[in-house]
Amino acid sequence: EAGVVQSPRYKIIEKKQPVAFWCNPISGHNTLYWYRQNLGQGPELLIRYENEEAVDDSQLPKDRFSAERLKGVDSTLKIQPAELGDSAVYLCASTSRDGTEAFFGQGTRLTVV
Amino acid sequence: AQSVAQPEDQVNVAEGNPLTVKCTYSVSGNPYLFWYVQYPNRGLQFLLKYITGDNLVKGSYGFEAEFNKSQTSFHLKKPSALVSDSALYFCAVRDPFSGGYNKLIFGAGTRLAVHP
Repeated sequence: EAGVVQSPRYKIIEKKQPVAFWCNPISGHNTLYWYRQNLGQGPELLIRYENEEAVDDSQLPKDRFSAERLKGVDSTLKIQPAELGDSAVYLCASTSRDGTEAFFGQGTRLTVV
Repeated sequence: AQSVAQPEDQVNVAEGNPLTVKCTYSVSGNPYLFWYVQYPNRGLQFLLKYITGDNLVKGSYGFEAEFNKSQTSFHLKKPSALVSDSALYFCAVRDPFSGGYNKLIFGAGTRLAVHP
């Protein structure tokens, strides 16, 4: 069974440019999460989807961040425009409806210069 | 506020010796507790979890963790460390206000270094 797949693995952009990350969760997993992990810290939740509905986006900086999960499968997280402080690893995770552990992708390391 | 503390930034241990990575938590109600490991340039890998039942939980790669309700701790242990165990370890608790879903609150992580 394939795990959570994220792309790209690495991204370097100049500040003020847009960037997008893609995530394909484990097949059949209804719940999808986007976390951000700053250097030297644990991951922090940005947004959670139940199927195609964003049910918890309270920590998503909505002025520049957006996300979508069309058809309730894969998801895209976008930043526009990027700032230097957005440099981090962006992790996607998924769980099944009755699962208790989250499965994480390898993450996208974003560097804003 | 719900929180997880990992008091040690780094733990050093010699190969073959027992290891302990500490974690304490502060959460309302009965906690759902997790340990994840992160190898360089890799995502988080699930190690083990405590939901209910036996306080000693066994997980992947020979790791185990002991839930101690009175001390609000969930320390990760392994009887004999391997050099390949060297990685970043995260303790996490499920947010009890996430409606039964896995919104995880992570600690800052502890880097484990196992020396030959």
